[in-house]
Amino acid sequence: AQRVTQPEKLLSVFKGAPVELKCNYSYSGSPELFWYVQYSRQRLQLLLRHISRESIKGFTADLNKGETSFHLKKPFAQEEDSAMYYCALSGRGFNKFYFGSGTKLNVKP
Amino acid sequence: DADVTQTPRNRITKTGKRIMLECSQTKGHDRMYWYRQDPGLGLQLIYYSFDVKDINKGEISDGYSVSRQAQAKFSLSLESAIPNQTALYFCATSAAGGFNEQFFGPGTRLTVL
Repeated sequence: AQRVTQPEKLLSVFKGAPVELKCNYSYSGSPELFWYVQYSRQRLQLLLRHISRESIKGFTADLNKGETSFHLKKPFAQEEDSAMYYCALSGRGFNKFYFGSGTKLNVKP
Repeated sequence: DADVTQTPRNRITKTGKRIMLECSQTKGHDRMYWYRQDPGLGLQLIYYSFDVKDINKGEISDGYSVSRQAQAKFSLSLESAIPNQTALYFCATSAAGGFNEQFFGPGTRLTVL
């Protein structure tokens, strides 16, 4: 069965510190992985997707098929990064998205 | 700007009442989705529709029904609301084909007393 696991409900770091939000998935085919972000009082929006291999707002994520992971990383966290982050999975042949339970990132000054 | 809107934004109702949540989009997308968000559980898919004549159940469709009145409108109904349906409900849209980005509405906070 398809599944997305985000083991941390809350992650607190200080401004300027590195941050890594963990995401592990279970999927039998070729997955497509995404990170969505929800800032306070805003709607969910796409942060990045693995097929684009892009860096958005300093965040990157690498798909590791061996470890079935798609961790989100940023070398130097900023206070404006504080938000709820959701890892999501979709797969070829079906266009449903499966979301993880989310990690709340709190960047302290 | 093309957008996804939801009405109402907040609703308090009583057990047993029928409730309809509406979603409209001006993005021209064929695909529309309804999700439910509960604390600690993330987003769970209730129903999705790939076009006006296509309706599919998601992970947690029991107790819910939907109607795709037009390409731009996708409504979610709770025929007889119960307290454990208290949650934040999101509508989302995406373009057809591939692994396209989902665009979310602002959410509807529903409380069932």
